[in-house]
Parts: sequence; structure tokens; C-alpha cells
Amino acid sequence: EIVLTQSPGTLSLSPGERATLSCRASQSVSSSYLAWYQQKPGQAPRLLIYGASSRATGIPDRFSGSGSGTDFTLTISRLEPEDFAVYYCQQYGSSPRRTFGQGTKLEIK
Amino acid sequence: EVQLVESGGGLVQPGRSLRLSCAASGFTFDDYAMHWVRQAPGKGLEWVSGISWNSGSIGYADSVKGRFTISRDNAKNSLYLQMNSLRAEDTALYYCAKSLATDAPFFDYWGQGTLVTVSS
Repeated sequence: EIVLTQSPGTLSLSPGERATLSCRASQSVSSSYLAWYQQKPGQAPRLLIYGASSRATGIPDRFSGSGSGTDFTLTISRLEPEDFAVYYCQQYGSSPRRTFGQGTKLEIK
Repeated sequence: EVQLVESGGGLVQPGRSLRLSCAASGFTFDDYAMHWVRQAPGKGLEWVSGISWNSGSIGYADSVKGRFTISRDNAKNSLYLQMNSLRAEDTALYYCAKSLATDAPFFDYWGQGTLVTVSS
């Protein structure tokens, strides 16, 4: 089973700064099968990025995804107040398993 | 507007059973695979189970295999999760989630979840 490890566990930044979140897989993951979600307290997760770099419908272009193989990155170019949340990466490996990373909490500094 | 509304959660004793339901609306239900994803209190997300549009392909996480059964009724636009032999570690908020495309491995819409608490 592929394990996804996200880093850092917590990221403290200020609005307007750039955020870089990492997701590392224990084995190579097809870029087509890597996604990122945002979850705010008391809310369901929201799909941000799929296929490693494609933005989901309605997602602002300050969110971007990149990477391949075992290393993937979610970048938020300029943080808005509403971006402070927990972010999860997710992969689809051998059917039917889908696994999530443990999450990165993005907090206001 | 896509809506997913879960129900059926509650407090249940270890070893007992519970059946969760998810009522879907706002999209053509039988065009999409559907999934259950859970989140233990204060913890991360865990995929539980998924079912293809026609129920031809079904999968489970190792942690629930043999105890949980996913099903769907396309005529009723509904998804179900039968949970047997419940354990304390099954305590979580259970989300119903829709696949991004017919059988895409990502989830573009989620319900608000139904809470399952397993405790004596």
C-alpha cells in the first residue's frame, strides 16, 4: 500500500505570503492519480487539484499543483484569509484503494 | 445543485450494526461512482469504500473489509453502507462523496457527514 507523507505538519504564514505544501509517496504515483483537498473546521473537504495539476471547478488560480513520481507540491501563491485550513493529498493506487496523507495545517502567523 | 445528505449515524455498542444512507440529488446519480470516506474525531481522512456506477466494481479499505458492505439503489438515487461488528475505532464522521467523473478516483462533492459513535 502506498503511504503519503505530508510536510510540514503545521505551516505558519501571514496573508499575502506564499505557501508550499509537500506530499511524498512511499512508491511512485501516477500524476493522473494525485489530488489535493482543503478542509476548514466543521466543513467537508473540498477538491482543489486533481491529476496533480488541474484545478477543480471554481478554484482560484492562486492554487497550483505540481510534481511527479513520489514528490508532489501544492502552492498557494498569495495567501488569502480564507485559505487557512487543513490540506490533504490523496492518491489512487491499486484498485480500489485510495489513500490520504495525514494533512498539513496552514495557520495564520 | 449537487446535494449529498447522509443519515443513519448514532451511538451504537461494540459488536452491533448500523446502516448509513446517502440521498443524492442535483446530478445523474447512476453516471457516477460513489464512496464513503470517514474522519475520526480530530484526525485525518480515511477512504472506507467505493462502488462503481452499476455496482459492478466494489472496494473496501482493509480496516473494514468483511464487516462493511456498500450498496446503491440507482432508482432511489441512494447510497448505503451496512456496518456490522462495529468497533470503537470505527467511531468517526462518515462522509458520502461523489466521483469527479464516471469512475474518476477523486471526489468533487461531499455531504456534511453523519456521526457514528461506537461505545458501550
